[in-house]
Amino acid sequence: EDKVVQSPLSLVVHEGDTVTLNCSYEVTNFRSLLWYKQEKKAPTFLFMLTSSGIEKKSGRLSSILDKKELFSILNITATQTGDSAIYLCAAYGGSQGNLIFGKGTKLSVKP
Amino acid sequence: DAGITQSPRHKVTETGTPVTLRCHQTENHRYMYWYRQDPGHGLRLIHYSYGVKDTDKGEVSDGYSVSRSKTEDFLLTLESATSSQTSVYFCAARRQDYTDTQYFGPGTRLTVL
Repeated sequence: EDKVVQSPLSLVVHEGDTVTLNCSYEVTNFRSLLWYKQEKKAPTFLFMLTSSGIEKKSGRLSSILDKKELFSILNITATQTGDSAIYLCAAYGGSQGNLIFGKGTKLSVKP
Repeated sequence: DAGITQSPRHKVTETGTPVTLRCHQTENHRYMYWYRQDPGHGLRLIHYSYGVKDTDKGEVSDGYSVSRSKTEDFLLTLESATSSQTSVYFCAARRQDYTDTQYFGPGTRLTVL
């Protein structure tokens, strides 16, 4: 069975901390790994990763994929209260060729 | 926001009544998806469409049907709503075969009493 597992499920940090969110996957016909941020509304796209070892970066957020060990990490440096959200990881693949989502990591950033 | 809207945004209904949720997109996306999101389960795929009149079942399709008669509209129908279908429903769209990124609509909060 295809699955995507995120850890931790929830995390509380203080402003200025650096956090690392984890995503492991076991997905047949894997093609890409995507990260989304969800505040109290729809998920918004952050990154798509297809190649191992190539870091994608956007401001204080960065992500990398390891296709040998089947995982990805999302790093957020110098966290701000606006980073508080649920971060979703999804792997593209499976028998139908769709996104398979993890359950998300709920990040709370305290002032 | 990839031009995706959903209607209604909130709905309260009673068990046994039919309900139709609408997803409308303005950017000619080929692929469209319906998900439900529940605490502890994350996003789960209900049905998806890969073109006009072309649809297929997802992970949690029981009790749901879909239709896509035009590129821009994807309808989700609960034939006889049950309390277990209380959820937040998201529509998503993807442009072409070679792009994996899905863009999401704002969601519909459905409560079945």
